Amino acid sequence: DTAVSQTPKYLVTQMGNDKSIKCEQNLGHDTMYWYKQDSKKFLKIMFSYNNKELIINETVPNRFSPKSPDKAHLNLHINSLELGDSAVYFCASSQVRAGVGTDTQYFGPGTRLTVL
Amino acid sequence: SQQGEEDPQALSIQEGENATMNCSYKTSINNLQWYRQNSGRGLVHLILIRSNEREKHSGRLRVTLDTSKKSSSLLITASRAADTASYFCATDERGGGFKTIFGAGTRLFVKA
Repeated sequence: DTAVSQTPKYLVTQMGNDKSIKCEQNLGHDTMYWYKQDSKKFLKIMFSYNNKELIINETVPNRFSPKSPDKAHLNLHINSLELGDSAVYFCASSQVRAGVGTDTQYFGPGTRLTVL
Repeated sequence: SQQGEEDPQALSIQEGENATMNCSYKTSINNLQWYRQNSGRGLVHLILIRSNEREKHSGRLRVTLDTSKKSSSLLITASRAADTASYFCATDERGGGFKTIFGAGTRLFVKA
């Protein structure tokens, strides 16, 4: 069974559209993340949720809105898509223990977003 | 500038040789992790080393951590063509809670 799953795997859309990417984890983790990986393979954290609460918001345009309906799901909605949003978006989850730091992160397979 | 910077950016070796990748970071950390990413795939966790550890082994992988120099190295011994991938180090700032910062990665190519 897939630990962290994302849908869709590929997303091709026109500029200005609104789209969503879904993420689910069945690991029982408390914390979920969204990362953006650009064409140079640089991986940058966008958001982190812990127990459905937003913990990290890394100066991401407010066109990006994460939503966590429960601990196992973290969806990413993007409004008014721009060419620069083209990238691979990865969802991840982990267990974070206070005072110990972030533990192993388990990544989804990624969603390749292409904005035309 | 970016926490967790890998060196070299790219590395090409023959099968059977050892591959060493280095990572430097800037702040105090709780732990440092190494991940592998095969082309078109998500990242896969390889090994985690805590700030109070100096060396850790897992199969053909050996990771060292020098907190005084704020650096880590990943050694892959007896490399195989299947080790061809990008390797990333990731750190979380002490006191930073839930934030993990990834470096730009080292692209390893192992020739058969």
